Amino acid sequence: NAGVTQTPKFRVLKTGQSMTLLCAQDMNHEYMYWYRQDPGMGLRLIHYSVGEGTTAKGEVPDGYNVSRLKKQNFLLGLESAAPSQTSVYFCASSNSGASLSSYEQYFGPGTRLTVT
Amino acid sequence: AQTVTQSQPEMSVQEAETVTLSCTYDTSESNYYLFWYKQPPSRQMILVIRQEAYKQQNATENRFSVNFQKAAKSFSLKISDSQLGDTAMYFCALNSYGNKLVFGAGTILRVKS
Repeated sequence: NAGVTQTPKFRVLKTGQSMTLLCAQDMNHEYMYWYRQDPGMGLRLIHYSVGEGTTAKGEVPDGYNVSRLKKQNFLLGLESAAPSQTSVYFCASSNSGASLSSYEQYFGPGTRLTVT
Repeated sequence: AQTVTQSQPEMSVQEAETVTLSCTYDTSESNYYLFWYKQPPSRQMILVIRQEAYKQQNATENRFSVNFQKAAKSFSLKISDSQLGDTAMYFCALNSYGNKLVFGAGTILRVKS
């Protein structure tokens, strides 16, 4: 049981390049999320998904796209990377439902992305 | 809109002593959940403790406890008998709608020997 995994762990891009970050979870969770972490700002929600085939915008969605073709995977894409997208990216997943345990989010190890 | 404020960017404490990290929040929802996450240098996000808003009793997990003041919208974390392994960034987070977490900016805690 690996929990939440992210690929890659580190990446350096040049301005204008594109890339996709992959998140996978093996806990059969309905909900998945992408966050970015910047110094002094905590984690901010980029996009999220409440189930296979669905996605929605979070707090800072501009410049990113996502897809959830399979329940266990959630992809984050940068079509044309900008230096402002230099950050650490975290994926998380959680259960649906009304119990307290369903509100706990499980996080992946993060991806450090640098755009030069 | 939901907001979370952590007013202490950095704190330090001597090993074996007690430290309290502050967090205030704002939400218009009547029921919600509050969390403290720990992020050590490894970058992994680790859930430390959680509190349901409708529960009066403060949550406790071993050396970690919270002081939840619902009327004041305050949710502080107390770490007793601090250990070197407690050195980390600590995030306060609020979940009040749609399973979406809102995080504070974080507090860096350094435990000194």
